[in-house]
Amino acid sequence: GQQLNQSPQSMFIQEGEDVSMNCTSSSIFNTWLWYKQDPGEGPVLLIALYKAGELTSNGRLTAQFGITRKDSFLNISASIPSDVGIYFCAGQAWERAQKLVFGQGTRLTINP
Amino acid sequence: NAGVMQNPRHLVRRRGQEARLRCSPMKGHSHVYWYRQLPEEGLKFMVYLQKENIIDESGMPKERFSAEFPKEGPSILRIQQVVRGDSAAYFCASSLSQVTTNEKLFFGSGTQLSVL
Repeated sequence: GQQLNQSPQSMFIQEGEDVSMNCTSSSIFNTWLWYKQDPGEGPVLLIALYKAGELTSNGRLTAQFGITRKDSFLNISASIPSDVGIYFCAGQAWERAQKLVFGQGTRLTINP
Repeated sequence: NAGVMQNPRHLVRRRGQEARLRCSPMKGHSHVYWYRQLPEEGLKFMVYLQKENIIDESGMPKERFSAEFPKEGPSILRIQQVVRGDSAAYFCASSLSQVTTNEKLFFGSGTQLSVL
């Protein structure tokens, strides 16, 4: 089946630093999504990407849909304590759009 | 997360018991999706339902698991004769219409199932 490889698995940074994480896939997706999950909660959508090559920002977050449709990255600039959590990428294909394929997650820890 | 209600938030069962997880979609949404998350992993698709119909159950284990979304009331994910490996967080999501790659899913806060 389809698999997403997300890296890094965890990050320990200082407040104010920039963060970068990425996902790669063995197959093509039509949409890439980035979610954040806080402990004991469900994932919350941060950014959705719909076109290959698309670069989208949401405040301090920037994400790009890779030109090959097999990868995506998420950058967080000037991190703040509330950025702590687990970030997931997810791919979505037209033929089975209900079946999001999630990466394993990147756990972000911030030292104040 | 606002709007998709799941209960209970935490459910403890002994091996062999039944677990029933409930999901009320956002108001006006008639499409429901169930996902499972094991510790330290991403979410994995289980089943997609529309009112009274199962559309895609390709992610459901063949035995002991069933899901329904009746005309009235919440969607129910039922796990019979639970085993320790069923311990996980179960998330429900809903959408206004049939999901496409432009239709966003809104997830609930999940039910954490612990099997003793």
